[in-house]
Amino acid sequence: SQKIEQNSEALNIQEGKTATLTCNYTNYSPAYLQWYRQDPGRGPVFLLLIRENEKEKRKERLKVTFDTTLKQSLFHITASQPADSATYLCALGRGGGSYIPTFGRGTSLIVHP
Amino acid sequence: DVKVTQSSRYLVKRTGEKVFLECVQDMDHENMFWYRQDPGLGLRLIYFSYDVKMKEKGDIPEGYSVSREKKERFSLILESASTNQTSMYLCASSDGQGAYNEQFFGPGTRLTVL
Repeated sequence: SQKIEQNSEALNIQEGKTATLTCNYTNYSPAYLQWYRQDPGRGPVFLLLIRENEKEKRKERLKVTFDTTLKQSLFHITASQPADSATYLCALGRGGGSYIPTFGRGTSLIVHP
Repeated sequence: DVKVTQSSRYLVKRTGEKVFLECVQDMDHENMFWYRQDPGLGLRLIYFSYDVKMKEKGDIPEGYSVSREKKERFSLILESASTNQTSMYLCASSDGQGAYNEQFFGPGTRLTVL
């Protein structure tokens, strides 16, 4: 069956460092992958999308990579700040008229001042 | 800015009560979704709708029903609330014409069933 794995353990890093979060998947051929941020008690907010034919995408301090051979996406936040502390969810989509992404369970990021 | 609003942020109900959760979006999106989110289980899809009066079951529809009488409004109904339905409920919408279907979420309703 399809499986999306994100590290269930929180990632703790110091302010100013680069945070790297991982999303692995099995038994899935996604056309695209999305990353969302979720703050406690709030709904997720879309951050970035990367398509299957793209290797890397950037937006300000965010960078996403997508390796369909390794079946993995990495999400990087450079020069991290305490305000970046949140849970980050990856979601995979098949495309081709299927409009329902499948979400991972998320990884909590804690940036210490 | 896309706005998805939910009728309540917090709700406390008794076992056996009928519960209505309302969701409204203002971007003319075709697709609307109801999820529940529990610690350690992530987002689980309850029901979705791709058009007015259309509905499809998600992964965990048991104990729930939905209604979509107008394009902008999608309601989740708990016919007879039970304690195992205590959860955070999230509504989302997405553009049916979009190829990559970014989802826009509401703020969530934290439902407690006593």
